[in-house]
Amino acid sequence: AQSVAQPEDQVNVAEGNPLTVKCTYSVSGNPYLFWYVQYPNRGLQFLLKYITGDNLVKGSYGFEAEFNKSQTSFHLKKPSALVSDSALYFCAVSYSSNTGKLIFGQGTTLQVKP
Amino acid sequence: DSGVTQTPKHLITATGQRVTLRCSPRSGDLSVYWYQQSLDQGLQFLIQYYNGEERAKGNILERFSAQQFPDLHSELNLSSLELGDSALYFCASSTEGTAVGNTIYFGEGSWLTVV
Repeated sequence: AQSVAQPEDQVNVAEGNPLTVKCTYSVSGNPYLFWYVQYPNRGLQFLLKYITGDNLVKGSYGFEAEFNKSQTSFHLKKPSALVSDSALYFCAVSYSSNTGKLIFGQGTTLQVKP
Repeated sequence: DSGVTQTPKHLITATGQRVTLRCSPRSGDLSVYWYQQSLDQGLQFLIQYYNGEERAKGNILERFSAQQFPDLHSELNLSSLELGDSALYFCASSTEGTAVGNTIYFGEGSWLTVV
């Protein structure tokens, strides 16, 4: 079955330090990978996506993600965290050429402390 | 602002009742998706429409139904409501019907509380 795993419920990092939010996936066929962020009482905001090509994808707000096919991972990274980055982050995968349906991970809460 | 509009933002209703959630996709988007977000189930895909036709179906209960109208707006109908249906319901839209080279944008959601 197709699935996405975010192994950490919460990630804590100090402001100014690099951050990583982990994501692994399991799909048959080519994966199309996405990261979304959800601030309290808000909708999901698109951050970045990997469709094909360069394994390092750059997105909004200084975030980037690295696609690793051999490890079936798509970790979200940022070189220097901001307190305002504190939010709930979701990794998602789509695998079908017939539908845009996304399968989401359980989400990781990122807490950036001053 | 993603451009996807959902109404109402908040809704409180009693068990056994029926409600309708409305979604207007981004201008030009042909595909609409509905998701349910709850604490215990996370984000669950319910259903997708593309240009008025059902494209994909997920974990949508038989008590729930949806449609996409000729003007491309969509409605999600929830009937015989139970306490467990309390959740945040998201609508999303995209230009095409697949995720290949396509970004899916989400609305702010409709909070449904069943009492």
